[in-house]
Amino acid sequence: QKEVEQNSGPLSVPEGAIASLNCTYSDRVSQSFFWYRQYSGKSPELIMSIYSNGDKEDGRFTAQLNKASQYVSLLIRDSQPSDSATYLCAVNVNDMRFGAGTRLTVKP
Amino acid sequence: GAVVSQHPSRVICKSGTSVKIECRSLDFQATTMFWYRQFPKQSLMLMATSNEGSKATYEQGVEKDKFLINHASLTLSTLTVTSAHPEDSSFYICSARGTSGRSPYEQYFGPGTRLTVT
Repeated sequence: QKEVEQNSGPLSVPEGAIASLNCTYSDRVSQSFFWYRQYSGKSPELIMSIYSNGDKEDGRFTAQLNKASQYVSLLIRDSQPSDSATYLCAVNVNDMRFGAGTRLTVKP
Repeated sequence: GAVVSQHPSRVICKSGTSVKIECRSLDFQATTMFWYRQFPKQSLMLMATSNEGSKATYEQGVEKDKFLINHASLTLSTLTVTSAHPEDSSFYICSARGTSGRSPYEQYFGPGTRLTVT
């Protein structure tokens, strides 16, 4: 089992819709969880971090964490074409482990 | 805050030569720096982790004599690709973690260096 698993997609949503990105992790002692956005040909950019169970909102982004289910998700409300990118889930135990990423396309 | 720079952004070199890539944390002290490699349409692959003043820890399968990493200060790490070959052509990305004033676990990425070996 991979340490961090994501649906590779591609995930396609219409402009204005909610995009839902999911991630599961295998190490129960993980305490820190992150979402990065990577545009094609660019390096990853940190967009959200979450450390405790529940929801954390930042603008159009909401991260959700459920440690009992070893599940973390990212919701993007009012999706825009500029949100089209690959979203990487990352989990920190002793070091950061990244999922393979989910490619999101927002169609105008 | 938490800005990481990389230089050069793009480099083309001939097979057999060496290339040095610099990674700098501009507004925080990076106690730990990471070097990743990413091939087209593939995920990030961690190559090595370096702590300031210590030898780098390499991931399995990464040749430490080929990919020389130096983390001499809290703001600078370098990756030298020695005797580069065309199969080393890739996107090399550094990231840094440290005293950014936020979580000590957050990693911030440099813009990456695209290496092409001809």
